[in-house]
Amino acid sequence: NAGVTQTPKFQVLKTGQSMTLQCAQDMNHNSMYWYRQDPGMGLRLIYYSASEGTTDKGEVPNGYNVSRLNKREFSLRLESAAPSQTSVYFCASSDFLSGGRKSGANVLTFGAGSRLTVL
Amino acid sequence: AQSVTQLGSHVSVSEGALVLLRCNYSSSVPPYLFWYVQYPNQGLQLLLKYTSAATLVKGINGFEAEFKKSETSFHLTKPSAHMSDAAEYFCAVSDPGGFKTIFGAGTRLFVKA
Repeated sequence: NAGVTQTPKFQVLKTGQSMTLQCAQDMNHNSMYWYRQDPGMGLRLIYYSASEGTTDKGEVPNGYNVSRLNKREFSLRLESAAPSQTSVYFCASSDFLSGGRKSGANVLTFGAGSRLTVL
Repeated sequence: AQSVTQLGSHVSVSEGALVLLRCNYSSSVPPYLFWYVQYPNQGLQLLLKYTSAATLVKGINGFEAEFKKSETSFHLTKPSAHMSDAAEYFCAVSDPGGFKTIFGAGTRLFVKA
């Protein structure tokens, strides 16, 4: 059971470089999310995709773009990296939306994280 | 807007002692509440959740939490700490119809032998 898989696990960038974080889930979940984790601030939602074909902004979307490639995959792109984007990034998925309806609580299943350093 | 405050960024207990991690929330609608645990170099995993049924919620690994509306609290407890409980714990809130989950800053639990 792979669950949620993120790549790469570690990345070092120079200011201004671009990169894409990849995420894939094999649980047939409709909804996927990108969070960033910074010391003393918990996790903050960057973007989410309620279902295939839709994306919405979270709390801290500036400087990021996302693509819901298909039901399994949700990528996060930094077009011009800045030192303030140094963080640990987590992808998550949930089956909150099922059959077009929301049901139960939105329980998130997380990947292992990607540590990004921008110099 | 919803928010979560976790009191204490670090908590240290002795093995076998009571664990109490504090969480207070703010929400304009009846909330759903969660506790997640993060072990070193791993993603978060769900410990337990409150969804307006029983106010005392039992989770995995002997943890439980009680929803107290009058105090807007959802504190996490475990009667007897294990070394394996050492991790970071996050309280989180969402509204029942929403996709956005708001996390607290986290509390790192240390367990002394």
